[in-house]
Amino acid sequence: RKEVEQDPGPFNVPEGATVAFNCTYSNSASQSFFWYRQDCRKEPKLLMSVYSSGNEDGRFTAQLNRASQYISLLIRDSKLSDSATYLCVSSRDTDKLIFGTGTRLQVFP
Amino acid sequence: SAVISQKPSRDICQRGTSLTIQCQVDSQVTMMFWYRQQPGQSLTLIATANQGSEATYESGFVIDKFPISRPNLTFSTLTVSNMSPEDSSIYLCSVPSDGLNTEAFFGQGTRLTVV
Repeated sequence: RKEVEQDPGPFNVPEGATVAFNCTYSNSASQSFFWYRQDCRKEPKLLMSVYSSGNEDGRFTAQLNRASQYISLLIRDSKLSDSATYLCVSSRDTDKLIFGTGTRLQVFP
Repeated sequence: SAVISQKPSRDICQRGTSLTIQCQVDSQVTMMFWYRQQPGQSLTLIATANQGSEATYESGFVIDKFPISRPNLTFSTLTVSNMSPEDSSIYLCSVPSDGLNTEAFFGQGTRLTVV
């Protein structure tokens, strides 16, 4: 079993839609969580960190449920430019990051 | 933030040969990480490159196949040795930002094709 698991998708949604991605992690020692975005043929870039209290950045909302070992990312009012692969990431007490397989999002006009 | 220059950006190599990938960071960092991203897959950590000591390899990766150098706090190399087509992948170096458990910055990646 992978340490971080995601639905690979693809999620095909129209512009303006709301879409949610889920992610589960198996190691209860994981301390920090992130969502990264990776465009085709590009390196991953941080989208947002995920805090236990939940956090929002514009159209993006991330939530963490430590009891269920579950992380989510909600994207509201999807734009064409949101099309990418979204990587769920955890880390323990070092800077080593554990990546999920990624969820591919395709927003269509 | 850190700026990482990784090269080569891509290469096509013959099986049995070796390729050395370089990463240069614009600031001093204690740890650098090397990842592999196989086609259609996510990133898998190969090893952690520590300055002044041997690299720490993850399960499934060995020093003979992926020797790493870390001569100073701004530079590292990863060599893919005795390549086979199964080594065709994207290789990325990464550094953490200041502090623990914070953002990681990535090089642009090296797209390797072994024929």
